[in-house]
Amino acid sequence: DSGVTQTPKHLITATGQRVTLRCSPRSGDLSVYWYQQSLDQGLQFLIQYYNGEERAKGNILERFSAQQFPDLHSELNLSSLELGDSALYFCASSANQGVREVTGNEQFFGPGTRLTVL
Amino acid sequence: DAKTTQPPSMDCAEGRAANLPCNHSTISGNEYVYWYRQIHSQGPQYIIHGLKNNETNEMASLIITEDRKSSTLILPHATLRDTAVYYCIVGRFGGATNKLIFGTGTLLAVQP
Repeated sequence: DSGVTQTPKHLITATGQRVTLRCSPRSGDLSVYWYQQSLDQGLQFLIQYYNGEERAKGNILERFSAQQFPDLHSELNLSSLELGDSALYFCASSANQGVREVTGNEQFFGPGTRLTVL
Repeated sequence: DAKTTQPPSMDCAEGRAANLPCNHSTISGNEYVYWYRQIHSQGPQYIIHGLKNNETNEMASLIITEDRKSSTLILPHATLRDTAVYYCIVGRFGGATNKLIFGTGTLLAVQP
């Protein structure tokens, strides 16, 4: 158990719909990362938040957005869903102390949310 | 971030050491080597990391060549539960962000 929780575990929805995935980081971790894993694209970094602020963006579509709340949990919002958005969505957290160089700053991944768009 | 090259798959007998290679010939001086693994659709799991010295923890050992252009992850006594995709990732971690750029990894199959 990594200490990172994600809900829901499974989500089935239709094209054009909007869904929200939720992530609770490990206690004390300030950074939250979102990754998408699909069969054809592999594991891809989407976005990172650090203590409520967006820190890095990867291959995240404009239809997708995320935020991190004051209690440090994060939500990933996916809208206007397409068949190709079907994937596993993972959240990870790390201590990441901001601008100070930190080694051993490994990421701890949650169990993922499997999204199926029909 | 430097790119990595890993064999797509490897087999290992249960109880034997599994040696997983990774090439990262364009690694720069301030980049670390990280290893993660993913067991069948579970969330990736951190294994070990290093800069230039060899490292060992309770899960594995990491051997980095002197020129740092390649490394080997060693699982000393592989078990069936070690069957997974192993990812070698190189990057300048720390600071404001340490996003992980995953490649295709090596599927290690531990055989009974």
